[in-house]
Amino acid sequence: AQSVTQLDSQVPVFEEAPVELRCNYSSSVSVYLFWYVQYPNQGLQLLLKYLSGSTLVKGINGFEAEFNKSQTSFHLRKPSVHISDTAEYFCAAYGSSNTGKLIFGQGTTLQVKP
Amino acid sequence: DTAVSQTPKYLVTQMGNDKSIKCEQNLGHDTMYWYKQDSKKFLKIMFSYNNKELIINETVPNRFSPKSPDKAHLNLHINSLELGDSAVYFCASSKREASKLFFGSGTQLSVL
Repeated sequence: AQSVTQLDSQVPVFEEAPVELRCNYSSSVSVYLFWYVQYPNQGLQLLLKYLSGSTLVKGINGFEAEFNKSQTSFHLRKPSVHISDTAEYFCAAYGSSNTGKLIFGQGTTLQVKP
Repeated sequence: DTAVSQTPKYLVTQMGNDKSIKCEQNLGHDTMYWYKQDSKKFLKIMFSYNNKELIINETVPNRFSPKSPDKAHLNLHINSLELGDSAVYFCASSKREASKLFFGSGTQLSVL
């Protein structure tokens, strides 16, 4: 089955600490990979995407992610988080048949504490 | 101007009623979507339209009917609402299939 798995449902972290949000995808999905962020009571915004090329992808707000084909992972990282990064983060991939169906992971709640 | 706008933002209604959610995008995109986000924040696609044509129709009850009068609009009509329909519904659009999605701010539907 096509799937995207986010390994942590909640990640609490102190302000200015580094953070990594983990995402694994099944081999049955495409390698068009995305991270979206959802701030409270808002829709989703694209943080970054991997389509091809360099495996290290830089996005907005200081986030980056690394595509690792051998481990089928696309983990999101930030070296120093701010209170304003508190939000829900979703990893996503398109189905391998390229039907346009974007498959989301379960989401990870990032809680940044002062 | 908001790129993808959906109305209403909140919708509270009784079981058995019929309701509609409207969505409009001013980005000139060809493809529009409806996603459902449940209470555990899980997002699942419901429908996708490309240039007014239905291209994705997931296993959604027949009570849900999307309508796209033109490529800038994709409305969602729900008949005979049930308690389990309570969720946040997101409209989204993209330039073409399988590209970056732009999301509306969501409609929180509460069925009592």
